[in-house]
Amino acid sequence: GENVEQHPSTLSVQEGDSAVIKCTYSDSASNYFPWYKQELGKRPQLIIDIRSNVGEKKDQRIAVTLNKTAKHFSLHITETQPEDSAVYFCAALQAGTALIFGKGTTLSVSS
Amino acid sequence: DSGVTQTPKHLITATGQRVTLRCSPRSGDLSVYWYQQSLDQGLQFLIQYYNGEERAKGNILERFSAQQFPDLHSELNLSSLELGDSALYFCASSVVPGSGNTIYFGEGSWLTVV
Repeated sequence: GENVEQHPSTLSVQEGDSAVIKCTYSDSASNYFPWYKQELGKRPQLIIDIRSNVGEKKDQRIAVTLNKTAKHFSLHITETQPEDSAVYFCAALQAGTALIFGKGTTLSVSS
Repeated sequence: DSGVTQTPKHLITATGQRVTLRCSPRSGDLSVYWYQQSLDQGLQFLIQYYNGEERAKGNILERFSAQQFPDLHSELNLSSLELGDSALYFCASSVVPGSGNTIYFGEGSWLTVV
């Protein structure tokens, strides 16, 4: 089955800096890669996603890139703000069934 | 509000007991997923249903079972509970599986086993 590795596990940045989180997946049949943000004790919420026929997608301060050949995808957050502090999860859609998640990255943005 | 409803929100029970967690998917969603999130752990996929039928299984223990009913709500049954089963259990739903439709999560059910 699908396996998703996510790095780093923790990331601390200063307000205004950029943050990058990287993920790799194992199943070349996976075709959908969402990113979720989870605040403490809350449900994961989708922030951006990318499909395998697209190499990059941007939405305001966040962007995601996908390299199908290398089987890795990354989340980029620019001009970070304290409210960006949360746990971020990458995921890959396994063979048309369920999302398999990475172990998460705890992002801390200090002002 | 994602539209996915989970009950109960919090549950405390003793080891060896059995509990049932309930989930109502978003209106129109046919697929339901169950995930387990333990302290400092990621989201572990347990099981998926689509239109009443089991679609995929993840790391679900034999002590756990689930089903999706004709009205599309789902229940996750956890039996012979152990301390290590304490976790936040999320239900999620999507229109159909495998198409890249957004998967929406409920608020979760906090289970504490004492």
